[in-house]
Amino acid sequence: QSALTQPASVSGSPGQSITISCTGTSSDVGAFNHVSWFQHHPGKAPKLIIYEVFNRPSGISDRFSGSKSGNTASLTISGLQPEDEADYYCISYTTYYSYVFGTGTKVTVL
Amino acid sequence: QVQLQESGPGLVKPSETLSLTCGVSGGSITITNWWSWVRQPPGKGLEWIGEISLGGTTNYNPSLRNRVSMSVDKANNHFSLRLTSVSAADTAVYFCVRELTAFVPLGYWGQGTLVTVSS
Repeated sequence: QSALTQPASVSGSPGQSITISCTGTSSDVGAFNHVSWFQHHPGKAPKLIIYEVFNRPSGISDRFSGSKSGNTASLTISGLQPEDEADYYCISYTTYYSYVFGTGTKVTVL
Repeated sequence: QVQLQESGPGLVKPSETLSLTCGVSGGSITITNWWSWVRQPPGKGLEWIGEISLGGTTNYNPSLRNRVSMSVDKANNHFSLRLTSVSAADTAVYFCVRELTAFVPLGYWGQGTLVTVSS
């Protein structure tokens, strides 16, 4: 199985909205709604911010939202803040009874 | 608040076996059913290694399936990872993780431990 495809980097100014795509295949993203997103500040543990495409765990800001269309899932960060600068990863369940991560996206707040 | 802590050798020789344990504190390992391992090589992205249920059912990354095994010890509140025939490509920070709910396997993470493969 190949890693899901994410843009290497996305940037935006404070207050703006950005969207990160996560493209897979009909064997993973397109097959299930079991897509999650993580925020990862280097040196720390990744944090779950979206699960099952669009659900937020308790304590996660509603500035983070998720969606999916076909084989592509998306994470939108609204009202971008300096602390949002981090690496973001998607993950999907697959038809091979396994999970596969995305390639990761570095978000820069200008 | 259940917490996870990885432990094991920080240095492993090439061709040998990497063994890590994830201790669960602040609650019982039976709090959820699925427990996972994820790794991140230096400068690279996250890689899902696999998962194990309390009943011992396992699912592994197909690319690692021939070398990986996991076990769970409910009596001692921990679960473990073994990766055989390691090479420099297995140098990474290894995280143990517990599920949030069904099909959300990576809800709560340990802090991670760096394992270096080198002679």
